[in-house]
Amino acid sequence: KNQVEQSPQSLIILEGKNCTLQCNYTVSPFSNLRWYKQDTGRGPVSLTIMTFSENTKSNGRYTATLDADTKQSSLHITASQLSDSASYICVVSGPDSSNTGKLIFGQGTTLQVKP
Amino acid sequence: DSGVTQTPKHLITATGQRVTLRCSPRSGDLSVYWYQQSLDQGLQFLIHYYNGEERAKGNILERFSAQQFPDLHSELNLSSLELGDSALYFCASSVDSLLRGNTIYFGEGSWLTVV
Repeated sequence: KNQVEQSPQSLIILEGKNCTLQCNYTVSPFSNLRWYKQDTGRGPVSLTIMTFSENTKSNGRYTATLDADTKQSSLHITASQLSDSASYICVVSGPDSSNTGKLIFGQGTTLQVKP
Repeated sequence: DSGVTQTPKHLITATGQRVTLRCSPRSGDLSVYWYQQSLDQGLQFLIHYYNGEERAKGNILERFSAQQFPDLHSELNLSSLELGDSALYFCASSVDSLLRGNTIYFGEGSWLTVV
């Protein structure tokens, strides 16, 4: 069973619009949650990192929220640009991750921004 | 540019062969991680090295091995290659072995195609 579920699987929006991507996780205990942006064929790039005590974290037009009680996170993209077209990956650090690289990756949401 | 360098960028080889993927972490980073991303699959953790020592193993096949050298660069060796090993292999690095809130920086990946 996938411990990190992302929705929607894919999304198409018009340039300038806002969108919200969802991430639900079952990993417990939970250490931190990261959002990464991955352009096709490129390495993931970190957008935000949140510990269990943080509710929100912003990075420019990207704002991530976290509800550790319901085990849900969202990534909100404001005023989308064509360059936002990419896959957005939710990554959770769990009990095996505190001292290792055993991160648990979601399958990603593929975002396409159209002019 | 994340500062993590991977070579080669692309590699095509035949089944049964052996290849070596190379990674230079960001300057000052002691931890190196290897991940595999197959077509339409999420990233999978393979192995983690910290300052030359193996720290954790994920779903790494016995045909695969890795090491981290005194200068902190790392190599991932893939042997007896099968068609299913075709994937994008990422190296990542971080400051130390405790992920906590540390950013993990990914390289651009090595595309391996087994024919």
